[in-house]
Amino acid sequence: QSVLTQPASVSGPLGQSITISCTGTSNDVGDKNWVSWYQQHPGRAPKLMIYDVSDRPSGVSSRFSGSKSGNTASLTISGLQAEDEADYYCSSYTIDDTYVFGSGTKVYVL
Amino acid sequence: EVQLVESGGGLVQPGGSLRLSCAASGFPFSSYWMSWVRQGPGKGLEWLANIKQDGSEEYYVDSVRGRFTISRDNAKSSLFLQMNSLRAEDTAIYYCAKTISATPGDYWGQGTLVTVSS
Repeated sequence: QSVLTQPASVSGPLGQSITISCTGTSNDVGDKNWVSWYQQHPGRAPKLMIYDVSDRPSGVSSRFSGSKSGNTASLTISGLQAEDEADYYCSSYTIDDTYVFGSGTKVYVL
Repeated sequence: EVQLVESGGGLVQPGGSLRLSCAASGFPFSSYWMSWVRQGPGKGLEWLANIKQDGSEEYYVDSVRGRFTISRDNAKSSLFLQMNSLRAEDTAIYYCAKTISATPGDYWGQGTLVTVSS
């Protein structure tokens, strides 16, 4: 039940795009398309942004998109906005019927 | 509107016990898996446990298995987490989350703070 690996921080200028990676193993990320992504602002509860690798819940901006290749999933934020500055966590279902989260990535909007 | 409200957090001594509750509303509680997730001070999210709709299946992360027990009362739309043998490293905000598909939480409560200290 190891933590999924994410970069500690990613930054990008207003209006540009950034991508956050999430690396696991064949026992979690690489097993099935069961990766989700969460946004968390300071002092707030996490908010689901992407589920099942690339699906967006109702109400989440289309600027957020997800993908996966092998054991690595990615979250792309296009047209960066000031309110996108937050912590982002990936999560994956595992072969043990448990969940594991990523280490978290702080996104800075320049 | 989906609402999840946690309660029961507080200060407890190492080795002590605490029972967290989560009151759910705005969705058919008995139709969904539910999870508990925690976040230590300045740290990332850690999934702890989940429970099937009828309570017949439970899964735990290794770090709490045997110490924590998840349960639910569908008649009262409530989720619980019994925490025993608490350690300093259990200090965290504890969130309950409604689980969909293979996603631990599409909706989250605001969390309840548990502090384990002498």
